[in-house]
Amino acid sequence: QSVLTQPPSLSGAPGQRVTISCTGSRSNIGAGYDVHWYQQLPGTAPKLLIYVNSNRPSGVPDRFSGSKSGTSASLAISGLQAEDEADYYCQSYDSSLGVVVFGGGTKLTVL
Amino acid sequence: QLLLQESGPGLVKPSETLSLTCTVSGASISSSTSFWGWVRQPPGKGLEWIGTIDYGGSTYYNPSVKSRVTLSVDTSKNQFSLKLSSVTAADTAVYHCARHTLVKDNLFDFWGQGALVTVSS
Repeated sequence: QSVLTQPPSLSGAPGQRVTISCTGSRSNIGAGYDVHWYQQLPGTAPKLLIYVNSNRPSGVPDRFSGSKSGTSASLAISGLQAEDEADYYCQSYDSSLGVVVFGGGTKLTVL
Repeated sequence: QLLLQESGPGLVKPSETLSLTCTVSGASISSSTSFWGWVRQPPGKGLEWIGTIDYGGSTYYNPSVKSRVTLSVDTSKNQFSLKLSSVTAADTAVYHCARHTLVKDNLFDFWGQGALVTVSS
């Protein structure tokens, strides 16, 4: 069971907007630690998608956005495209455990 | 462009030691601001941070595997390595090496493709 909780799966039609939640606690997200998001396309390595809660690395489309509030964070994808079908992971740090922690991952299906 | 590539045996017997090496190109592993980590992903499951090492050899381990893990760095070859002892089937996973911005943002910004290691007799 992951320290950060994500919905196991989500789906949306092309053009729609979807939001993936990442719920933590007072020892990680709620303690002020930053949240980062990764996209993992089938058979490939994870790719940094959003860093420090809401920032996009160069080359990431502005259809992807991140936010953080309290003990949770969210990744929003607008104008959903077939190429967005992938697994998405959130990541932070947990001060009680003293480790980097990942969410369990969300498999996004584009209908 | 920073590239990382894992290498090592794809099959390890139970109770033996898993050994992987990550070769870094496009940047010096000796940079004082760079940390290098390992993250694994069991088949069909999520990501788990194993540990991180800096160019000077200082290490940071996940307590879940700390007693069995050793990380090392070879600056002359621009490589860093992972050893995991006393492996069981639960250690079967794709092992990724990655650059870990431990001090700055605590994230992994460049990843290797991953090496599948199967623990089986």
